[in-house]
Amino acid sequence: GQQVMQIPQYQHVQEGEDFTTYCNSSTTLSNIQWYKQRPGGHPVFLIQLVKSGEVKKQKRLTFQFGEAKKNSSLHITATQTTDVGTYFCAGPSGSARQLTFGSGTQLTVLP
Amino acid sequence: SQTIHQWPATLVQPVGSPLSLECTVEGTSNPNLYWYRQAAGRGLQLLFYSVGIGQISSEVPQNLSASRPQDRQFILSSKKLLLSDSGFYLCAWSYRTVRGNTIYFGEGSWLTVV
Repeated sequence: GQQVMQIPQYQHVQEGEDFTTYCNSSTTLSNIQWYKQRPGGHPVFLIQLVKSGEVKKQKRLTFQFGEAKKNSSLHITATQTTDVGTYFCAGPSGSARQLTFGSGTQLTVLP
Repeated sequence: SQTIHQWPATLVQPVGSPLSLECTVEGTSNPNLYWYRQAAGRGLQLLFYSVGIGQISSEVPQNLSASRPQDRQFILSSKKLLLSDSGFYLCAWSYRTVRGNTIYFGEGSWLTVV
């Protein structure tokens, strides 16, 4: 079945440093989504990418979808303590009613 | 606007006891509904999903079951809990018509089996 792999599993950065997490799918995706889960909270939808090579920005967050639509990345510029949490990528699977989530990258920002 | 409610927020249950977690969605009709489990510090595991009343698909064989007695109500149950059932349970919904499959999660239920 479809697999979505995400690296790194953990990342500690000093506040102000940049951060990137990478997502790779075993199959071509029609779209890819990113979610953020704060410690003790529930995952919250951040963004969806649909087009090959698409790049979207949300303030300090930059999301990219690969040309082959099998990989994606999330880059955070100048991290802040509010960026702490686990970031998940997810792609449609099965009948497209489901999402396969990556294992997540847990980001710690040291003040 | 759409909202999703899930309860209880936390519970501690002895091994062998039953479980019932309930979830309701408001502000939309005919949603797809999901139950996910997240072990401490781990990823999201899809347990069940439903595309309509009485229609349940199971992703992982286990001692858990799900039911959808009404269009916007989803229940997760167990007759006898195991220690390994401990975790963070998340109910979620998405639009029935494909709008990119975005999934909206409830606030979750922390289950500790002792």
